[in-house]
Amino acid sequence: KAGVTQTPRYLIKTRGQQVTLSCSPISGHRSVSWYQQTPGQGLQFLFEYFSETQRNKGNFPGRFSGRQFSNSRSEMNVSTLELGDSALYLCASSPWTVVATNEKLFFGSGTQLSVL
Amino acid sequence: GEDVEQSLFLSVREGDSSVINCTYTDSSSTYLYWYKQEPGAGLQLLTYIFSNMDMKQDQRLTVLLNKKDKHLSLRIADTQTGDSAIYFCAEHNNNDMRFGAGTRLTVKP
Repeated sequence: KAGVTQTPRYLIKTRGQQVTLSCSPISGHRSVSWYQQTPGQGLQFLFEYFSETQRNKGNFPGRFSGRQFSNSRSEMNVSTLELGDSALYLCASSPWTVVATNEKLFFGSGTQLSVL
Repeated sequence: GEDVEQSLFLSVREGDSSVINCTYTDSSSTYLYWYKQEPGAGLQLLTYIFSNMDMKQDQRLTVLLNKKDKHLSLRIADTQTGDSAIYFCAEHNNNDMRFGAGTRLTVKP
């Protein structure tokens, strides 16, 4: 069974641009969660999508948005990039929504975003 | 909001035991997890413990939970160089999964 796939692996953008990251969950998993990882801050929860609906949202500005498609693939978009958005963005999938259950998360390798 | 806290660094010698500590503040957390992140990779679930348990052992890994103090620890016996990684503790309550900042474990030969 293929794991969680994130594309692209690396991305370099400049301030003010926008970026779209993609995540394909493990086959059969319906929940996709997104996290931002920065040194010293650890993992900060962005949002979770389940059955094409956002189920939970972390404390990030509206520049961060996401969506989920009917095949459970998810995209995350960041508009008007700032230097502080440079981070490793991880997505994780699970069979059911994390909100309601103690689902274990299966993580992808992440997309390393650098904003210059 | 509730925070999960862990020390950022730990260094041990190969063959010694490693103990990584974590404190959490949400008493309603039902499950607590330990994840491992190797360089260039995502997080991998190592083990987890239900909040009504005190201890869980899985081969070289021992998880201790002190619910009264909201303290979680991960002990790795006979630590190997391949155990060098960042270890994250995480708590799950009814709403979401919250992670600590991660403890970077360095194992010296």
